[in-house]
Amino acid sequence: LAKTTQPISMDSYEGQEVNITCSHNNIATNDYITWYQQFPSQGPRFIIQGYKTKVTNEVASLFIPADRKSSTLSLPRVSLSDTAVYYCLVGDYDYKLSFGAGTTVTVRA
Amino acid sequence: SQTIHQWPATLVQPVGSPLSLECTVEGTSNPNLYWYRQAAGRGLQLLFYSVGIGQISSEVPQNLSASRPQDRQFILSSKKLLLSDSGFYLCAWKEGRQNQPQHFGDGTRLSIL
Repeated sequence: LAKTTQPISMDSYEGQEVNITCSHNNIATNDYITWYQQFPSQGPRFIIQGYKTKVTNEVASLFIPADRKSSTLSLPRVSLSDTAVYYCLVGDYDYKLSFGAGTTVTVRA
Repeated sequence: SQTIHQWPATLVQPVGSPLSLECTVEGTSNPNLYWYRQAAGRGLQLLFYSVGIGQISSEVPQNLSASRPQDRQFILSSKKLLLSDSGFYLCAWKEGRQNQPQHFGDGTRLSIL
């Protein structure tokens, strides 16, 4: 599984855009990039998944450059309820995921 | 739509007692199933995964075991719990097709006294 590196924490304010960048230098050809959100005492919740370029859904966008060695999760206009830990994962997901410590995003009023 | 159920939500057990955590999935067939453990402030550690009935792969040798008696049922067990077994246990499922994301249950908080 490709190793990922992401910031330990980020602070933001309500209404701002939050961008979390994840590095995955040894990503394999068949690997996809997936982001999860986790609140305390809850299971991780799937946010978005992509392979290349840009993917957008109702909650976030995922930007992946051509070399795929990094990716950026963009959360538009965050609210207090977006305070959570965000995990970046890389893998082919046939069997197993490797979760690191994630990025703790704190949104302040 | 698919749903995943884990129970119990919280559990307090004495050292040396047995354990059985159950996970069931609805709305899908032949899912891949997973058990993870999360220590406080840490990422998730994969414990077991299964691609079919009776097929269990262990990622970390330890005091725990897993079974899949039915297609959409995954059970995590222990014969004798250790203090180090405390943690947040999460079950997850995914469709068998490649590159589909895993979906997690709400977890079981296990405290060993």
